[in-house]
Amino acid sequence: GNSVTQMEGPVTLSEEAFLTINCTYTATGYPSLFWYVQYPGEGLQLLLKATKADDKGSNKGFEATYRKETTSFHLEKGSVQVSDSAVYFCALSTGSARQLTFGSGTQLTVLP
Amino acid sequence: GAGVSQTPSNKVTEKGKYVELRCDPISGHTALYWYRQSLGQGPEFLIYFQGTGAADDSGLPNDRFFAVRPEGSVSTLKIQRTERGDSAVYLCASSLAGDGRNEQFFGPGTRLTVL
Repeated sequence: GNSVTQMEGPVTLSEEAFLTINCTYTATGYPSLFWYVQYPGEGLQLLLKATKADDKGSNKGFEATYRKETTSFHLEKGSVQVSDSAVYFCALSTGSARQLTFGSGTQLTVLP
Repeated sequence: GAGVSQTPSNKVTEKGKYVELRCDPISGHTALYWYRQSLGQGPEFLIYFQGTGAADDSGLPNDRFFAVRPEGSVSTLKIQRTERGDSAVYLCASSLAGDGRNEQFFGPGTRLTVL
């Protein structure tokens, strides 16, 4: 079956620090990979996605590269802001299982 | 509004009662998903509709849970004989097509508390 393993949190960083949140997956078939973000008091929203190997998804300064050889999709940002404080979820879907399979989420807090 | 809406936003019920949770997807989205999110966890899949039919209900935990989408738009998740373990946030999402690559747009969720 499909599964996502995500770096445990919480993660606390100072503003302008470098962020990495690790995500690895197992999947039957060829997955599409996603990062979703949940800001305080808001619903889940898509941050970025990649649908094939070596693709890089990017949005709002965040990036993640689809690495088939290591089955990973690590989220990175060069300089975090206080407004990036949220819970980040790595997820995948496949053609045969179109629902999203989520990791357990990583709580990020950025301090000024 | 143009987003996915869910009602009610909060539902408190007593053990053993029946509840219905409603989801209004984005207009024109043929695929609709229900997920359940427990505290500190990622959402877990319950059921997926393509149009009016349940294409995959493998995530429903038992036969107390049932969902319908009679006209291919609004969906209702029904829980019979609620138990305290059913307490969670129930999320609905829709996407333009259910091919696994399209973005799923999530509603704000219904927080269900079973006393």
